[in-house]
Amino acid sequence: AQSVTQPDIHITVSEGASLELRCNYSYGATPYLFWYVQSPGQGLQLLLKYFSGDTLVQGIKGFEAEFKRSQSSFNLRKPSVHWSDAAEYFCAVAPGGFKTIFGAGTRLFVKA
Amino acid sequence: DGGITQSPKYLFRKEGQNVTLSCEQNLNHDAMYWYRQDPGQGLRLIYYSQIVNDFQKGDIAEGYSVSREKKESFPLTVTSAQKNPTAFYLCASRGTGDTEAFFGQGTRLTVV
Repeated sequence: AQSVTQPDIHITVSEGASLELRCNYSYGATPYLFWYVQSPGQGLQLLLKYFSGDTLVQGIKGFEAEFKRSQSSFNLRKPSVHWSDAAEYFCAVAPGGFKTIFGAGTRLFVKA
Repeated sequence: DGGITQSPKYLFRKEGQNVTLSCEQNLNHDAMYWYRQDPGQGLRLIYYSQIVNDFQKGDIAEGYSVSREKKESFPLTVTSAQKNPTAFYLCASRGTGDTEAFFGQGTRLTVV
């Protein structure tokens, strides 16, 4: 069965430090891959997506993600974190059809 | 502005009562979805609809019901059969040919 694993429940980084959030998926072929961000009490906003082509994709708010087929990973990165980046981040896959499968999320805390 | 509107944002109900959550979209999307979000569990799919007058159960449909009489609307009823209904509910939609889903702002349901 398809699944998405985000191994880190929460991460704390200092403002200005770099960030990497991990995501691994289980699927036979290359699915559509997404990262969403959620502020407390809000809906989800798409940060970026990948479905083919260049394995390094750029998103909004200065985020990027790299698809690595050999590792079944799609890790999210940001070179310098801002306090406003504190939120919950979800990795998701859409293996095809109409269903999207979400990871459990990683909550990011930013310390001054 | 196009988007997805969920109402109300907060909802309180007594145990044993049915309650209906509203989801309306003006994006002209064919597919609509309901997710339930609990802390540490990510988003779990309750029901989805690919077209008017048709819908399918997701992973946790027990205790919930939906209808899709209009393209723009996909209301979710939480019935008294749902054993633990207190949660954050998210509605989403996706257009034909789109890869990603677009989310509403959510409804927080508290059953007391």
